[in-house]
Amino acid sequence: EPEVTQTPSHQVTQMGQEVILRCVPISNHLYFYWYRQILGQKVEFLVSFYNNEISEKSEIFDDQFSVERPDGSNFTLKIRSTKLEDSAMYFCASSPGLVGTGELFFGEGSRLTVL
Amino acid sequence: GNSVTQMEGPVTLSEEAFLTINCTYTATGYPSLFWYVQYPGEGLQLLLKATKADDKGSNKGFEATYRKETTSFHLEKGSVQVSDSAVYFCALSGGETSGSRLTFGEGTQLTVNP
Repeated sequence: EPEVTQTPSHQVTQMGQEVILRCVPISNHLYFYWYRQILGQKVEFLVSFYNNEISEKSEIFDDQFSVERPDGSNFTLKIRSTKLEDSAMYFCASSPGLVGTGELFFGEGSRLTVL
Repeated sequence: GNSVTQMEGPVTLSEEAFLTINCTYTATGYPSLFWYVQYPGEGLQLLLKATKADDKGSNKGFEATYRKETTSFHLEKGSVQVSDSAVYFCALSGGETSGSRLTFGEGTQLTVNP
């Protein structure tokens, strides 16, 4: 069964360092997303990506975040200069169509710990 | 803006007990409503959905009815099993925001004991 895969499963980094989280969405899906969940808080939308550009982003997704689809299979989230408050579980997701019409398929998450 | 509120957890039940997890939402317009489930060590998976008022979503013995008059989408199951132990997330899309984002509730940890 096709699935969304994420790497790394856990990353520990120092404050101020750059981090890249990687995702391989399901191959025939067209929409890609990043969500995050700070420990004990809600799962929050960060960004959606369609047709090689950002289609929507939240207030959280500021200039220190960027997304890229560098080739036909990977979808990455870059955090340029990590802060303590970026510590969270980051979930990648993909869908064949808009979320209101169908389901999102989520990866298992990448846990980021910023020290 | 859109928001989703779930009952405070965690919830612990014995096998074969009746389950209700409450979910209420705030949104303008006509959002679509979802329940996602996260089993230990796995990503979130869609459990069921409803796209218009009075629709009932159902899957694996779970049910939820889209109630616009009470802005609710409560999750129910008549007889839970140990294998239902997971975190359950209520979510919505649409309403006043575009269709590309899900707004989640807090999540409810369910533990079912044999």
